[in-house]
Amino acid sequence: AQSVTQLDSHVSVSEGTPVLLRCNYSSSYSPSLFWYVQHPNKGLQLLLKYTSAATLVKGINGFEAEFKKSETSFHLTKPSAHMSDAAEYFCVVSSLTDKLIFGTGTRLQVFP
Amino acid sequence: EAGVVQSPRYKIIEKKQPVAFWCNPISGHNTLYWYLQNLGQGPELLIRYENEEAVDDSQLPKDRFSAERLKGVDSTLKIQPAELGDSAVYLCASSLEKGQGAYEQYFGPGTRLTVT
Repeated sequence: AQSVTQLDSHVSVSEGTPVLLRCNYSSSYSPSLFWYVQHPNKGLQLLLKYTSAATLVKGINGFEAEFKKSETSFHLTKPSAHMSDAAEYFCVVSSLTDKLIFGTGTRLQVFP
Repeated sequence: EAGVVQSPRYKIIEKKQPVAFWCNPISGHNTLYWYLQNLGQGPELLIRYENEEAVDDSQLPKDRFSAERLKGVDSTLKIQPAELGDSAVYLCASSLEKGQGAYEQYFGPGTRLTVT
């Protein structure tokens, strides 16, 4: 069965510093992986997706993630945090039937 | 382009009462999903429709939950009777089945249900 583990429930950074949100996956086949962001009282928004093409995936708002098969990881990064990045972030793996399996989420706080 | 629309946004009911949530997907999206999101957790799939057909309802608690998508467009999720443990956010999402961008799911803002 497919699953994802988000290693940090909370991450706090200062504005302008790098962001790293960690995600490990488990899958018996080459997975499709996603990062979604959820701002308060707003719908989940797709940041980026990996579907077996380039291992470094660029998304919206300056985020990117690197698929590392040897480490079974798909960490999300951003060089410089902005106040508007404060939100809940979900790492997601897709099953063979396109069912999305979400991690438990990482809450990102950005301090001025 | 309008996104996924859900109503109501918030609902407070007493336990044992019925409640219904409505979702209108993005125009042209033939696949529709209902998710349950408990506090501090990621969403979990309740049911998936392809057009009018429920193709995956294995996680839907059928003793009290029901859903319908009669014309393959908008959908209603119902709980009867509601229990305290049903307090959560109910999310609707939609996606294309085929073509460019297929299977990417677009989510609505959700309905936050509180059962007292």
